[in-house]
Amino acid sequence: AIQMTQSPSSLSASVGDRVTITCRASQGIRNDLGWYQQKPGKAPKLLIYAASSLQSGVPSRFSGSGSGTDFTLTISSLQPEDFATYYCLQGWTFGQGTKVEIK
Amino acid sequence: EVQLVESGGGVVRPGGSLRLSCAASGFTFDDYGMSWVRQAPGKGLEWVSGINWNGGSTGYADSVKGRFTISRDNAKNSLYLQMNSLRAEDTALYHCARDYYDSSGTSHQFDYWGQGTLVTVSS
Repeated sequence: AIQMTQSPSSLSASVGDRVTITCRASQGIRNDLGWYQQKPGKAPKLLIYAASSLQSGVPSRFSGSGSGTDFTLTISSLQPEDFATYYCLQGWTFGQGTKVEIK
Repeated sequence: EVQLVESGGGVVRPGGSLRLSCAASGFTFDDYGMSWVRQAPGKGLEWVSGINWNGGSTGYADSVKGRFTISRDNAKNSLYLQMNSLRAEDTALYHCARDYYDSSGTSHQFDYWGQGTLVTVSS
């Protein structure tokens, strides 16, 4: 089974910062990767699919990149509503999550 | 508007059973595969089980294989999860989610989620 390693597990950032989260697959997965945002008490929300495609309605400050084994979610300018936990998903396997906290 | 509403959670003793339901609306239910995804308290997300559009193909995480059964009733726009031989480690919020594939059909994600139903396994 493909293993997904997500890093960091948490980070502290300020409003306006550029934030990067990574996921590494244990073997090549082409572009079969997505990113989710989850706020406390809420269901996860799909942000990015197929590694770099922005889901409808998601702000353009979110972007995804990568192919093969290494993938990145970037928030270009962190907004107050972006403080949340982010997960990658490959097929049926989620990454461990990254909690983005206010510095 | 797509809506997924789960029900059926509760407190059950180890070894017991529960049946979860997910009522879908706002889309053509039998056009989509569906899944159950759970989240233990304070933990990450774990895919539990999935089913294709007509129920002809199912899949399970190793952690639940042989104990859980997924099914669907397209006439009722409903998804189910029969959970038997429950263990403490099955305690979690269980979400139903709609399967999404990109235009190439090769990249899978979940594009809509319900708010979840809480299952607590405790003596």
